[in-house]
Amino acid sequence: DGGITQSPKYLFRKEGQNVTLSCEQNLNHDAMYWYRQDPGQGLRLIYYSQIVNDFQKGDIAEGYSVSREKKESFPLTVTSAQKNPTAFYLCASSIGGRDGETQYFGPGTRLLVL
Amino acid sequence: ELKVEQNPLFLSMQEGKNYTIYCNYSTTSDRLYWYRQDPGKSLESLFVLLSNGAVKQEGRLMASLDTKARLSTLHITAAVHDLSATYFCAGIFMDSNYQLIWGAGTKLIIKP
Repeated sequence: DGGITQSPKYLFRKEGQNVTLSCEQNLNHDAMYWYRQDPGQGLRLIYYSQIVNDFQKGDIAEGYSVSREKKESFPLTVTSAQKNPTAFYLCASSIGGRDGETQYFGPGTRLLVL
Repeated sequence: ELKVEQNPLFLSMQEGKNYTIYCNYSTTSDRLYWYRQDPGKSLESLFVLLSNGAVKQEGRLMASLDTKARLSTLHITAAVHDLSATYFCAGIFMDSNYQLIWGAGTKLIIKP
């Protein structure tokens, strides 16, 4: 079955710790995205990548980093510089380009600070 | 500034009633999307509207797009409890570099 997987489902971060959220897709999509959702709020774009080995900052990139070494994988690292990381993190992918922007979402990772 | 505004942000309604969620946007849109999110879950794509006058229907939900008014609507007909969710609209705009600009979401509660 084609789809997007995210792991873990829940993640606990200690003070000063970097943590990495996994996102994998087997849809052969070129574009991938990371969003943050706070309780009762909409989605805010953290980073996106239109093609392998390239990515751009979204609206709230500070305190986060990404890599795109493979087409199917787009991991997100929440660094210790992100002072308020507790949120629901959603990864999405799309075919990419002007005519393929429908984004398909993974199940999400809920990050909590200990 | 690229903006997508939904209203209402919260809607509580009775089963069997009809209602409409509105999505206004600030500049010319190439396409408009509607998504559904159940509590604690991810987002599910409902509709994509590509041109002025586009109308899409799926069950009790119907979405439309008026690019001249910069308005999309999501109409719920004879609501049922299973439609309780948060609904988001999002658009691709000329100046958004192919990125989706999201509305804040409309939380819909349908009471039996």
